[in-house]
Amino acid sequence: DAKTTQPTSMDCAEGRAANLPCNHSTISGNEYVYWYRQIHSQGPQYIIHGLKNNETNEMASLIITEDRKSSTLILPHATLRDTAVYYCIVMGSQGNLIFGKGTKLSVKP
Amino acid sequence: DTEVTQTPKHLVMGMTNKKSLKCEQHMGHRAMYWYKQKAKKPPELMFVYSYEKLSINESVPSRFSPECPNSSLLNLHLHALQPEDSALYLCASSQTLSIGNTIYFGEGSWLTVV
Repeated sequence: DAKTTQPTSMDCAEGRAANLPCNHSTISGNEYVYWYRQIHSQGPQYIIHGLKNNETNEMASLIITEDRKSSTLILPHATLRDTAVYYCIVMGSQGNLIFGKGTKLSVKP
Repeated sequence: DTEVTQTPKHLVMGMTNKKSLKCEQHMGHRAMYWYKQKAKKPPELMFVYSYEKLSINESVPSRFSPECPNSSLLNLHLHALQPEDSALYLCASSQTLSIGNTIYFGEGSWLTVV
C-alpha cells in the first residue's frame, strides 16, 4: 500500500480556509486517496475521497495533483469544532484503511 | 443513515475475565472491521470480515477472537487480556471489501484491563 506523508501539526485561524497537504508519491493508478478526521478519541469521521479528479462535498474539497503524487484537503471556513487529527490515507488493493500519524489541526479564535 | 453502533462504550475487565465487544450496523454492508487504537496513536487494523468470512487477520494474538454471526453483527471476544491491551476498540463497516468504498466507523469501546 502506498504510504502518505503529512505535517505533524498545523494551525489555522477561525473563519479562514484550512489547507492540509499530503504526499503520496508511490500511489498506484487505481488507488484512492481518503481523508478522515478524529476529534479527541471519538471514532474517525469520513470526510472525502477521490481517485483523479478534484472532489467537493458539504464538508470539504479535495484537490489531487495531476501526477497524483500529492493532494490537499481544504476546509473552506474552519471553525473551532474542526480542531482534530486529520488522516490522509491511500486505500490499497485489499480495500481497507491503514492509518498513518496524521496532522493535528488546531483552529484558533 | 451511516451509523455503526458499538457496545459497551466502556468496559473494565480483569486479566482472567472473558468479555465481548459488540458492533452492529443496519446499512446492508457486507464488510466489517476491527481496529485498535492506543492513546495518542493512529488506529491499527486487527481483523476484516467480508460476507461473514474472516478475510484479514493482522497477526492478532489469539486472546482476541472475532466473530461475525450475521451480516449486521460483529463481535470481538476477549479472554486472558493483558493491561497493555487497554485501548479504544473501533468497529467499522463498508458496502463491500473493495477499493473505492467508504468505510464508516463507530464511536468505539474503551477497554481497560486491570
